[in-house]
Amino acid sequence: ETGVTQTPRHLVMGMTNKKSLKCEQHLGHNAMYWYKQSAKKPLELMFVYSLEERVENNSVPSRFSPECPNSSHLFLHLHTLQPEDSALYLCASSQVQGSLWAFFGQGTRLTVV
Amino acid sequence: KQEVTQIPAALSVPEGENLVLNCSFTDSAIYNLQWFRQDPGKGLTSLLLIQSSQREQTSGRLNASLDKSSGRSTLYIAASQPGDSATYLCAVIHTGGGADGLTFGKGTHLIIQP
Repeated sequence: ETGVTQTPRHLVMGMTNKKSLKCEQHLGHNAMYWYKQSAKKPLELMFVYSLEERVENNSVPSRFSPECPNSSHLFLHLHTLQPEDSALYLCASSQVQGSLWAFFGQGTRLTVV
Repeated sequence: KQEVTQIPAALSVPEGENLVLNCSFTDSAIYNLQWFRQDPGKGLTSLLLIQSSQREQTSGRLNASLDKSSGRSTLYIAASQPGDSATYLCAVIHTGGGADGLTFGKGTHLIIQP
């Protein structure tokens, strides 16, 4: 266990559904990240939050909406996704933004049908 | 734009062999470099982190080196074991402050044959 917990572990959703992914860490970290891992592509950074403020959005479509209500929780709200959005979504945290060890959750395997 | 390349993409060796995984990056202005391990369907486990001012880091049977000027890092695994079978990912963080996440390579899929 890395101290970063993601739920659910697996999710199947239709293109018209709305769902949310949850990430939780109690490591006292101030930065949290969402990454997308598609088959045969490098991990892609989606969103970065530092001290609950979004500091980066790497041109992610608006059908992905992050939320960071406090330093321990990070959500990714999903709406009207496409089949090509099927991937492993990984959450990570670090003590400060960009500088120290990054701890990753186990990921949520998302399938859009 | 930073690009990270890992060679080979896949590697299968008998148990007990020493092996080297390679990572190269195009922009040498990095803050640090990390090696991760990913087991099938699982998240990432940090193995080693090398700060840009360092040349290498060691943890048990693992040794990672960094040559920032040439944009290269290697992960050396000594006396490989079947439990080492996994995908190994190399990632870098840039300097310059601002928003930073990790830029990853595609990984090396390693199989250690019993």
